[in-house]
Amino acid sequence: KQEVTQIPAALSVPEGENLVLNCSFTDSAIYNLQWFRQDPGKGLTSLLLIQSSQREQTSGRLNASLDKSSGRSTLYIAASQPGDSATYLCAVNTGTASKLTFGTGTRLQVTL
Amino acid sequence: ETGVTQSPTHLIKTRGQQVTLRCSSQSGHNTVSWYQQALGQGPQFIFQYYREEENGRGNFPPRFSGLQFPNYSSELNVNALELDDSALYLCASTPDSPSGANVLTFGAGSRLTVL
Repeated sequence: KQEVTQIPAALSVPEGENLVLNCSFTDSAIYNLQWFRQDPGKGLTSLLLIQSSQREQTSGRLNASLDKSSGRSTLYIAASQPGDSATYLCAVNTGTASKLTFGTGTRLQVTL
Repeated sequence: ETGVTQSPTHLIKTRGQQVTLRCSSQSGHNTVSWYQQALGQGPQFIFQYYREEENGRGNFPPRFSGLQFPNYSSELNVNALELDDSALYLCASTPDSPSGANVLTFGAGSRLTVL
């Protein structure tokens, strides 16, 4: 059974700081991995999708890496801003339909 | 129409009642999936529908059922509501085949409270 763990559970940083969010998964036989953002009480916004054959993806100030063999992914956020405050969720797809297995998320607060 | 819309946004039910949640996907999105997100947890996969047929199910009892319609709308029905069913229910759609690895587009969710 695939299990996804995210560390830390919560993080508070001052504006401008670079930060790394961690995600680990137990079964390396994944199809892809996605990072999502969720604002309080809202749905999910897809940030980055990394296919199993890829090592990283970049979008603006976000960079996600994938090490499938070790079951790890990181989301790097450069020059954090208060608008980045949200919960970040990591999810893996084992190729079974659109069934994603999610971690419990990292709640990020960027302070002024 | 773009995006995934869900209704209602919030609702309150009592134990034992039944609820129907609705989702409207983008045109051409033949795959729709439903997730349950309890407070402070990550979403849990309930089931998926592809071209009006259930095509994958998570660890949820049969009182959770669904329907998908040709007009890209779908429903999640929950019978005999329990307190633990209180959660945010998310609908997500993808444009391709049921085994494709595509970015899921999520709706804003329906927040269900069971008293």
